[in-house]
Amino acid sequence: EPEVTQTPSHQVTQMGQEVILRCVPISNHLYFYWYRQILGQKVEFLVSFYNNEISEKSEIFDDQFSVERPDGSNFTLKIRSTKLEDSAMYFCASSEGLAPLETQYFGPGTRLLVL
Amino acid sequence: AQKVTQAQTEISVVEKEDVTLDCVYETRDTTYYLFWYKQPPSGELVFLIRRNSFDEQNEISGRYSWNFQKSTSSFNFTITASQVVDSAVYFCALSEIGSGANSKLTFGKGITLSVRP
Repeated sequence: EPEVTQTPSHQVTQMGQEVILRCVPISNHLYFYWYRQILGQKVEFLVSFYNNEISEKSEIFDDQFSVERPDGSNFTLKIRSTKLEDSAMYFCASSEGLAPLETQYFGPGTRLLVL
Repeated sequence: AQKVTQAQTEISVVEKEDVTLDCVYETRDTTYYLFWYKQPPSGELVFLIRRNSFDEQNEISGRYSWNFQKSTSSFNFTITASQVVDSAVYFCALSEIGSGANSKLTFGKGITLSVRP
């Protein structure tokens, strides 16, 4: 069964460093998303992406964040200058069509720790 | 604004007990979707069910069943004859159709279910 994959599974970085989190969505999916979950808290929406453009973004998704689909398979989230409060699990998701008419399927997450 | 409330934070049951996880939602839209996701200890989010606001039929899938009641804005999830493998955090989520594309999921805080042997 096709699934969303994410790399790395864990990343430790120093405050102020740039990180890139990578995702490979399900191959026939057209809509892509990033969510984050601070430890012990609820999952929060960051951004949705379709047709090489951001469709929607939350207040969390400030100028420090950017997303890109650099090729036909990868979808990346970049944090330019990480802060301590960026420590969280970051989930990528994809859907075949526009959600919620189509279900968002999540990857296994990347646990980011900023020291 | 959309909001999901999962008032229960932690539930502990003994294997084979039935358990119901509550979910109450708020939305101004007449068209919306409700979801349940499971997050096992390994951390991934596993999709369980999606239900649209026009379909109030209850659903059963094996040991899982869902009760959707628009009158009380609730979408509760029952696990019958629970098993240790059901131990996980369960999230209820809401997505409004709204005007244009509004694809984000709004999650509740999650319910940690522990099933003891």
